[in-house]
Amino acid sequence: AQSVTQLDSQVPVFEEAPVELRCNYSSSVSVYLFWYVQYPNQGLQLLLKYLSGSTLVKGINGFEAEFNKSQTSFHLRKPSVHISDTAEYFCAVMIMGGSNYKLTFGKGTLLTVNP
Amino acid sequence: NAGVTQTPKFQVLKTGQSMTLQCAQDMNHEYMSWYRQDPGMGLRLIHYSVGAGITDQGEVPNGYNVSRSTTEDFPLRLLSAAPSQTSVYFCASSYSWREHEKLFFGSGTQLSVL
Repeated sequence: AQSVTQLDSQVPVFEEAPVELRCNYSSSVSVYLFWYVQYPNQGLQLLLKYLSGSTLVKGINGFEAEFNKSQTSFHLRKPSVHISDTAEYFCAVMIMGGSNYKLTFGKGTLLTVNP
Repeated sequence: NAGVTQTPKFQVLKTGQSMTLQCAQDMNHEYMSWYRQDPGMGLRLIHYSVGAGITDQGEVPNGYNVSRSTTEDFPLRLLSAAPSQTSVYFCASSYSWREHEKLFFGSGTQLSVL
């Protein structure tokens, strides 16, 4: 079975600072990886995904993530954050192929951007 | 095109009561699922369906039932509510199970069980 660990439950940063939200996964087989964002009182929206190919994935709102197979990581980065990036961010993993239809989420990281 | 619609948005139940959370999508999606979100726990899959008439259990299915009689609807039933089921519930759908990266989420149902 796959699992996802988000190493920081909360990350406070100042506006225009860079940010990295960490995500590590565990799986005995190849996986697909995702980052979702949840703004207050809303459902989740897909930020970016890694399915195959280039290990550097660019998503919406200036976010990017890098898949590192040897370190089983998929950290999310943004070079300069805005107040509007304040939200909860979830890393998720799904086993590639087979009949596993389950998307497993991490526990989330609350990003708070302060002025 | 309304996307994924969940009703109600808020609900308060007493222990032992039953109720159904509704989820409907108008995108002709094959795959539908229910998650619960609890503080510090992320989202956990309750049940999912890969098409009409086909359902299966997720990580935390106990105390919940589902059915999928139509492509559009995927109701979640609480048979006898317990305080441990106090949570925010999200329904999500995608065109097919192969396209989890295109999951669309509803806006959630906040449930309190007293």
